Amino acid sequence: QKEVEQNSGPLSVPEGAIASLNCTYSDRGSQSFFWYRQYSGKSPELIMFIYSNGDKEDGRFTAQLNKASQYVSLLIRDSQPSDSATYLCAAFGGNYQLIWGAGTKLIIKP
Amino acid sequence: EAQVTQNPRYLITVTGKKLTVTCSQNMNHEYMSWYRQDPGLGLRQIYYSMNVEVTDKGDVPEGYKVSRKEKRNFPLILESPSPNQTSLYFCASSRDRRELFFGEGSRLTVL
Repeated sequence: QKEVEQNSGPLSVPEGAIASLNCTYSDRGSQSFFWYRQYSGKSPELIMFIYSNGDKEDGRFTAQLNKASQYVSLLIRDSQPSDSATYLCAAFGGNYQLIWGAGTKLIIKP
Repeated sequence: EAQVTQNPRYLITVTGKKLTVTCSQNMNHEYMSWYRQDPGLGLRQIYYSMNVEVTDKGDVPEGYKVSRKEKRNFPLILESPSPNQTSLYFCASSRDRRELFFGEGSRLTVL
């Protein structure tokens, strides 16, 4: 069973600090990885994707990928209360479908 | 405006009463998919479609049917709903099966 694992949280981070969200995956055939943000009662929206080992930065967000360790992370710098949401990690598997983690709930405390 | 539209957004029904949740996208995407989301379980794929008249089962297809007669529409059919199908349902479309655009969700309660 191909899986994507995330800590369900909640992860509580003070405003202005760095939030670090982590994800591991089991399918070594996965080539691309995605972070979706889901506000309570809303639909998921794509915020970052990463295909290559290393870091990818987009504004306050940095995605990190380590294929050898099968590990993906999302860093949010200068966290804001508006970043409070559930973050879903997804891997594009060898079966050409997204494999989803259950999500990590992030709470940014003012 | 690019969007995925689902209807109804909220529905309360009774066991065994057939229902259809509609999904329509205006982005000319070939790929469409249905998910259900339950607390602690994340998104689970029900069915997906790679193109018109091409559909395939996802991880939890039991009790559901789909059809794809037109590129823009991908309805989800519950022929005989049961209480374990109470859930939040999302339709999504994509150009490449990876970057998904989701509808606003349909919250279904089966009594």
